[in-house]
Amino acid sequence: EAQVTQNPRYLITVTGKKLTVTCSQNMNHEYMSWYRQDPGLGLRQIYYSMNVEVTDKGDVPEGYKVSRKEKRNFPLILESPSPNQTSLYFCASSLRWVNEQFFGPGTRLTVL
Amino acid sequence: AQSVTQLGSHVSVSEGALVLLRCNYSSSVPPYLFWYVQYPNQGLQLLLKYTSAATLVKGINGFEAEFKKSETSFHLTKPSAHMSDAAEYFCAVSLSTGNQFYFGTGTSLTVIP
Repeated sequence: EAQVTQNPRYLITVTGKKLTVTCSQNMNHEYMSWYRQDPGLGLRQIYYSMNVEVTDKGDVPEGYKVSRKEKRNFPLILESPSPNQTSLYFCASSLRWVNEQFFGPGTRLTVL
Repeated sequence: AQSVTQLGSHVSVSEGALVLLRCNYSSSVPPYLFWYVQYPNQGLQLLLKYTSAATLVKGINGFEAEFKKSETSFHLTKPSAHMSDAAEYFCAVSLSTGNQFYFGTGTSLTVIP
Protein backbone atom coordinates (compact mmCIF):
# COMPACT_ATOMS: atom_id res chain seq x y z
CA GLU A 1 0.00 0.00 0.00
CA ALA A 2 1.32 3.43 -0.98
CA GLN A 3 1.76 5.47 2.14
CA VAL A 4 3.68 7.94 4.24
CA THR A 5 4.46 6.71 7.73
CA GLN A 6 5.52 8.74 10.72
CA ASN A 7 6.80 7.65 14.11
CA PRO A 8 6.02 8.16 16.83
CA ARG A 9 2.38 9.21 16.54
CA TYR A 10 2.38 10.76 20.00
CA LEU A 11 5.29 12.05 22.03
CA ILE A 12 5.54 13.88 25.33
CA THR A 13 9.00 15.12 26.21
CA VAL A 14 10.77 17.74 28.28
CA THR A 15 12.55 20.91 27.28
CA GLY A 16 16.02 20.33 25.90
CA LYS A 17 15.82 16.59 25.32
CA LYS A 18 16.77 15.87 21.72
CA LEU A 19 14.24 13.95 19.68
CA THR A 20 13.74 12.66 16.16
CA VAL A 21 10.47 12.12 14.33
CA THR A 22 10.87 9.69 11.48
CA CYS A 23 9.11 9.90 8.13
CA SER A 24 9.20 7.30 5.42
CA GLN A 25 7.45 6.96 2.06
CA ASN A 26 7.26 3.95 -0.25
CA MET A 27 6.24 5.73 -3.45
CA ASN A 28 9.69 6.70 -4.74
CA HIS A 29 8.75 10.34 -4.41
CA GLU A 30 11.37 13.02 -4.94
CA TYR A 31 9.76 15.80 -2.90
CA MET A 32 9.29 15.51 0.86
CA SER A 33 8.25 18.10 3.35
CA TRP A 34 7.55 18.73 7.03
CA TYR A 35 4.72 20.91 8.32
CA ARG A 36 3.47 21.93 11.69
CA GLN A 37 -0.21 22.56 12.31
CA ASP A 38 -1.32 24.95 15.02
CA PRO A 39 -4.86 26.17 15.80
CA GLY A 40 -5.69 29.29 13.86
CA LEU A 41 -2.45 29.17 11.90
CA GLY A 42 -3.10 26.35 9.48
CA LEU A 43 -0.12 24.39 8.22
CA ARG A 44 3.27 25.99 8.00
CA GLN A 45 6.15 24.47 6.13
CA ILE A 46 9.24 23.77 8.21
CA TYR A 47 11.65 22.19 5.73
CA TYR A 48 11.39 20.55 2.37
CA SER A 49 13.58 18.38 0.20
CA MET A 50 13.62 18.28 -3.57
CA ASN A 51 15.64 15.07 -3.64
CA VAL A 52 18.37 13.15 -1.85
CA GLU A 53 20.88 15.48 -0.18
CA VAL A 54 18.85 18.55 -1.23
CA THR A 55 17.00 20.30 1.59
CA ASP A 56 15.82 23.84 2.10
CA LYS A 57 14.10 25.96 4.69
CA GLY A 58 10.40 26.60 4.68
CA ASP A 59 8.63 29.34 6.57
CA VAL A 60 9.39 28.23 10.13
CA PRO A 61 12.72 26.34 10.23
CA GLU A 62 14.08 27.72 13.52
CA GLY A 63 14.75 24.99 16.06
CA TYR A 64 14.51 22.14 13.55
CA LYS A 65 16.92 20.12 11.46
CA VAL A 66 16.35 17.63 8.68
CA SER A 67 18.38 15.29 6.56
CA ARG A 68 17.72 13.37 3.35
CA LYS A 69 20.30 10.64 3.03
CA GLU A 70 17.94 8.22 1.34
CA LYS A 71 15.08 8.95 -0.98
CA ARG A 72 12.46 7.28 1.18
CA ASN A 73 13.36 8.83 4.56
CA PHE A 74 13.14 12.40 5.80
CA PRO A 75 13.56 12.63 9.58
CA LEU A 76 12.80 15.76 11.55
CA ILE A 77 15.21 16.50 14.37
CA LEU A 78 14.64 18.78 17.32
CA GLU A 79 18.03 19.26 18.95
CA SER A 80 16.73 21.15 21.98
CA PRO A 81 12.95 21.18 22.02
CA SER A 82 11.10 24.04 23.66
CA PRO A 83 7.44 24.38 24.69
CA ASN A 84 6.68 26.56 21.66
CA GLN A 85 7.39 23.53 19.49
CA THR A 86 4.38 21.76 20.96
CA SER A 87 2.33 21.09 17.85
CA LEU A 88 0.92 18.57 15.40
CA TYR A 89 3.51 17.64 12.79
CA PHE A 90 2.87 16.25 9.35
CA CYS A 91 5.25 14.75 6.87
CA ALA A 92 4.26 14.78 3.20
CA SER A 93 5.68 13.54 -0.07
CA SER A 94 4.98 14.01 -3.76
CA LEU A 95 6.45 12.78 -6.99
CA ARG A 96 7.69 16.28 -7.69
CA TRP A 97 7.00 19.51 -5.88
CA VAL A 98 4.13 20.50 -8.14
CA ASN A 99 2.27 17.23 -7.78
CA GLU A 100 -0.26 16.10 -5.19
CA GLN A 101 1.25 15.74 -1.75
CA PHE A 102 0.50 12.62 0.26
CA PHE A 103 0.38 13.25 3.97
CA GLY A 104 1.34 11.04 6.85
CA PRO A 105 -1.02 10.52 9.81
CA GLY A 106 0.65 13.16 11.96
CA THR A 107 2.75 13.25 15.12
CA ARG A 108 1.39 15.06 18.13
CA LEU A 109 4.31 16.47 20.11
CA THR A 110 4.08 17.99 23.57
CA VAL A 111 7.14 19.66 25.06
CA LEU A 112 6.88 20.32 28.79
CA ALA B 1 6.05 36.82 0.96
CA GLN B 2 3.25 34.82 -0.52
CA SER B 3 0.02 34.43 1.35
CA VAL B 4 -3.20 32.53 1.28
CA THR B 5 -6.34 33.90 2.89
CA GLN B 6 -9.34 31.78 3.72
CA LEU B 7 -12.31 33.91 4.65
CA GLY B 8 -14.36 32.38 7.42
CA SER B 9 -12.72 30.00 9.85
CA HIS B 10 -16.09 28.30 10.43
CA VAL B 11 -18.85 27.74 7.90
CA SER B 12 -22.16 26.01 8.60
CA VAL B 13 -24.54 24.81 5.92
CA SER B 14 -27.66 22.70 5.91
CA GLU B 15 -27.55 19.27 4.36
CA GLY B 16 -28.37 19.66 0.67
CA ALA B 17 -27.37 23.32 0.54
CA LEU B 18 -24.60 24.89 -1.50
CA VAL B 19 -21.12 24.79 -0.03
CA LEU B 20 -18.88 27.80 -0.75
CA LEU B 21 -15.46 28.06 0.86
CA ARG B 22 -13.41 31.09 -0.06
CA CYS B 23 -9.71 31.30 -0.85
CA ASN B 24 -7.70 34.26 -2.03
CA TYR B 25 -3.99 34.29 -2.69
CA SER B 26 -1.32 36.86 -3.30
CA SER B 27 1.23 36.08 -5.95
CA SER B 28 3.06 38.01 -8.62
CA VAL B 29 3.77 34.90 -10.64
CA PRO B 30 1.48 32.13 -11.87
CA PRO B 31 0.46 29.97 -8.96
CA TYR B 32 -0.40 26.34 -8.53
CA LEU B 33 -3.45 26.09 -6.30
CA PHE B 34 -4.74 23.23 -4.21
CA TRP B 35 -7.60 22.36 -1.92
CA TYR B 36 -7.05 19.74 0.75
CA VAL B 37 -9.49 18.23 3.22
CA GLN B 38 -8.70 17.00 6.71
CA TYR B 39 -11.07 14.71 8.55
CA PRO B 40 -10.79 14.48 12.34
CA ASN B 41 -7.58 12.87 13.54
CA GLN B 42 -6.32 12.28 10.03
CA GLY B 43 -3.79 13.73 7.66
CA LEU B 44 -4.72 15.87 4.68
CA GLN B 45 -5.89 14.52 1.35
CA LEU B 46 -6.12 16.30 -1.95
CA LEU B 47 -9.53 17.43 -3.18
CA LEU B 48 -8.40 19.15 -6.37
CA LYS B 49 -5.64 21.22 -7.90
CA TYR B 50 -5.15 23.93 -10.50
CA THR B 51 -1.94 23.84 -12.51
CA SER B 52 -2.61 26.28 -15.36
CA ALA B 53 -4.87 24.11 -17.46
CA ALA B 54 -8.66 24.62 -17.31
CA THR B 55 -9.74 27.33 -14.90
CA LEU B 56 -12.67 25.27 -13.63
CA VAL B 57 -11.29 22.29 -11.80
CA LYS B 58 -13.31 19.29 -10.74
CA GLY B 59 -12.24 17.23 -7.77
CA ILE B 60 -13.34 14.31 -5.72
CA ASN B 61 -16.64 13.97 -3.85
CA GLY B 62 -18.43 16.46 -6.09
CA PHE B 63 -16.25 19.46 -5.25
CA GLU B 64 -15.01 21.94 -7.80
CA ALA B 65 -13.13 25.22 -7.79
CA GLU B 66 -12.65 28.03 -10.24
CA PHE B 67 -9.42 29.92 -10.71
CA LYS B 68 -10.09 33.62 -11.27
CA LYS B 69 -6.87 35.44 -11.98
CA SER B 70 -8.45 38.91 -11.94
CA GLU B 71 -9.79 38.29 -8.45
CA THR B 72 -6.82 36.18 -7.28
CA SER B 73 -9.33 33.69 -5.99
CA PHE B 74 -9.80 29.95 -5.98
CA HIS B 75 -13.08 29.33 -4.19
CA LEU B 76 -14.29 25.81 -3.48
CA THR B 77 -17.90 24.85 -4.15
CA LYS B 78 -20.19 21.86 -3.95
CA PRO B 79 -23.82 22.08 -5.09
CA SER B 80 -25.29 19.95 -2.34
CA ALA B 81 -23.70 19.38 1.05
CA HIS B 82 -23.62 15.93 2.59
CA MET B 83 -23.10 15.06 6.23
CA SER B 84 -19.85 13.35 5.31
CA ASP B 85 -18.46 16.69 4.04
CA ALA B 86 -18.00 17.93 7.60
CA ALA B 87 -14.25 18.46 7.91
CA GLU B 88 -11.51 21.08 7.83
CA TYR B 89 -10.61 22.46 4.42
CA PHE B 90 -7.31 24.03 3.49
CA CYS B 91 -6.39 26.08 0.47
CA ALA B 92 -2.72 25.97 -0.54
CA VAL B 93 -0.55 27.71 -3.09
CA SER B 94 2.79 26.97 -4.63
CA LEU B 95 4.54 29.11 -7.17
CA SER B 96 5.94 28.18 -10.55
CA THR B 97 9.16 29.92 -9.55
CA GLY B 98 9.67 28.18 -6.22
CA ASN B 99 9.32 24.98 -4.31
CA GLN B 100 7.56 26.05 -1.13
CA PHE B 101 3.96 25.51 -0.20
CA TYR B 102 1.80 28.01 1.63
CA PHE B 103 -1.39 26.93 3.34
CA GLY B 104 -4.32 28.98 4.48
CA THR B 105 -5.50 28.87 8.06
CA GLY B 106 -8.31 26.50 7.22
CA THR B 107 -12.11 26.55 7.22
CA SER B 108 -14.06 24.18 9.40
CA LEU B 109 -17.23 23.05 7.64
CA THR B 110 -20.22 21.94 9.68
CA VAL B 111 -23.18 20.31 7.95
CA ILE B 112 -26.48 20.62 9.78
CA PRO B 113 -29.01 17.82 9.26
